[in-house]
Amino acid sequence: SQQGEEDPQALSIQEGENATMNCSYKTSINNLQWYRQNSGRGLVHLILIRSNEREKHSGRLRVTLDTSKKSSSLLITASRAADTASYFCATDQRDDKIIFGKGTRLHILP
Amino acid sequence: ETGVTQSPTHLIKTRGQQVTLRCSSQSGHNTVSWYQQALGQGPQFIFQYYREEENGRGNFPPRFSGLQFPNYSSELNVNALELDDSALYLCASSPVPGRSYEKLFFGSGTQLSVL
Repeated sequence: SQQGEEDPQALSIQEGENATMNCSYKTSINNLQWYRQNSGRGLVHLILIRSNEREKHSGRLRVTLDTSKKSSSLLITASRAADTASYFCATDQRDDKIIFGKGTRLHILP
Repeated sequence: ETGVTQSPTHLIKTRGQQVTLRCSSQSGHNTVSWYQQALGQGPQFIFQYYREEENGRGNFPPRFSGLQFPNYSSELNVNALELDDSALYLCASSPVPGRSYEKLFFGSGTQLSVL
């Protein structure tokens, strides 16, 4: 079973616009991570936010975490063609295993 | 590049056969996790190995088994292949066993097709 559920499943935006993806999860977590995957290759870690943090930035990425709503969002500002990829949220289980959601497929239009 | 290497990159098998997939973890990483990713889905946790011992398992049948060697490289074995086993198999390493503040470093995966 998967812990996180991303929303939307797919997103197409114009280059230069901002992209927002959401993730909801079911159980208590210690942290939440976001990963990116380009066309069926390995996943690349983007950012990690701990349960006691509410917002975190890394370059053009901004992640928020609301533990009361069990949700997180990933914002990519000033999108580029190279941002076209699938994005997954991942949460740790009580036994410290990292479990992934189904992902959001982001397509940046030229 | 993460330093995690998987082999082979692609593999075609027929139903009922057995397959072995290999993974070399990043230098200094003693924990390896395996994931199965079906087309259009997120990675599903198969199991994790820490210091040559299985350290947690997802909802996969016993015909999915693994090994970890003293150099921390790992193998995933799947017996009696079924059509639904067709997927991208991902290996990920980390410096400590699933500690919640550590990120995973992924290989590029092995694409397995079962005919």
